[in-house]
Amino acid sequence: EDKVVQSPLSLVVHEGDTVTLNCSYEVTNFRSLLWYKQEKKAPTFLFMLTSSGIEKKSGRLSSILDKKELSSILNITATQTGDSAIYLCAVVYASNTGKLIFGQGTTLQVKP
Amino acid sequence: DGGITQSPKYLFRKEGQNVTLSCEQNLNHDAMYWYRQDPGQGLRLIYYSQIVNDFQKGDIAEGYSVSREKKESFPLTVTSAQKNPTAFYLCASTEPSGANVLTFGAGSRLTVL
Repeated sequence: EDKVVQSPLSLVVHEGDTVTLNCSYEVTNFRSLLWYKQEKKAPTFLFMLTSSGIEKKSGRLSSILDKKELSSILNITATQTGDSAIYLCAVVYASNTGKLIFGQGTTLQVKP
Repeated sequence: DGGITQSPKYLFRKEGQNVTLSCEQNLNHDAMYWYRQDPGQGLRLIYYSQIVNDFQKGDIAEGYSVSREKKESFPLTVTSAQKNPTAFYLCASTEPSGANVLTFGAGSRLTVL
């Protein structure tokens, strides 16, 4: 059965801390992995990863895919209260239909 | 601005009633999706449509129905057959470019009383 597992499920840190969120997958016909940030409402797109070992960066956020380990990490450095959100990982497994499998999400709370 | 509009944002329903959630997009996207989000379970696919007048069941289609009469619109009906309908419902769309990056609406929260 195809599945995507995120860890930890929840995390509480203080401003300025660095966090690492994990996403592992067991999916046939893997095409790409996506990270989203969800602040109460619509998830917003962060990164799409298709190639192993190539880091994607956007400000304090970065992500990398390891196809050998079937996993990805999302790093957030110098966290701010505005980083508090649910971080969703999703794997595209059948690109002709656009279907994705989502992980459970990691709820991050950043305290002042 | 282009985007996806979902309505209503909050909806209360009595048991045994059908309700319809609206999803409208002005992104000119061909493909549209409905996901259900429950705490601790991530997003699960209910139905999707890649083209007008065509749609397919997702992983949890039982108790739901959809239509796709227009490219811009993909309404979801939660029927009385859905045993546990209280959840957060997200509509999404994507370009048919193969990138599969979903754009989401703000969601509709349905509560069954």
